[in-house]
Amino acid sequence: AQSVTQLDSHVSVSEGTPVLLRCNYSSSYSPSLFWYVQHPNKGLQLLLKYTSAATLVKGINGFEAEFKKSETSFHLTKPSAHMSDAAEYFCVVSDPPGDSSYKLIFGSGTRLLVRP
Amino acid sequence: GAVVSQHPSWVICKSGTSVKIECRSLDFQATTMFWYRQFPKQSLMLMATSNEGSKATYEQGVEKDKFLINHASLTLSTLTVTSAHPEDSSFYICSASKGRNQPQHFGDGTRLSIL
Repeated sequence: AQSVTQLDSHVSVSEGTPVLLRCNYSSSYSPSLFWYVQHPNKGLQLLLKYTSAATLVKGINGFEAEFKKSETSFHLTKPSAHMSDAAEYFCVVSDPPGDSSYKLIFGSGTRLLVRP
Repeated sequence: GAVVSQHPSWVICKSGTSVKIECRSLDFQATTMFWYRQFPKQSLMLMATSNEGSKATYEQGVEKDKFLINHASLTLSTLTVTSAHPEDSSFYICSASKGRNQPQHFGDGTRLSIL
């Protein structure tokens, strides 16, 4: 079965400093992995996705994530945080792999706080 | 492109009433729509998957007689919470996909409060 684990429930950074949101996955196959962002009382916006092409995936708003099979990780990073990045971030895996139109399995979420 | 509209965004109603939530794909045809439930400070849990013209597939533990899903057209799916009770209060989010291996596009959610 596919699953993802987000290692931090809250991450707090200062504006202008790097962001690291950690995610580990468990999958019997080569997984399809996603990062979504949710602002308060809003739906979800896709930041980026990995589908077995390049291991370093670039997304919107300056975010990127690196797929590391040896570490079963898919951490989300951004070089410099903006106040507008404050939101809830979800690491997601699709089941079955490769079919993002089917079932998405969400991690527990990481709330990113950005201090002025 | 790929805009999903959910209506209403917020609804408050009395216990025992039924509430209908609409999910529309505004600029694409959605062969598959999904309904999620999110409790405060928690992740999204898939409730059911619906394909246009077919019966919805419910996840384990979700009462299909309680949460009625209709996907009568390629641009509209509805979720009806029947005989709602305070424990049904939650944030309900829909998503829609154009087809196999196409990403899900999410609505802005509906906050349901049952008094």
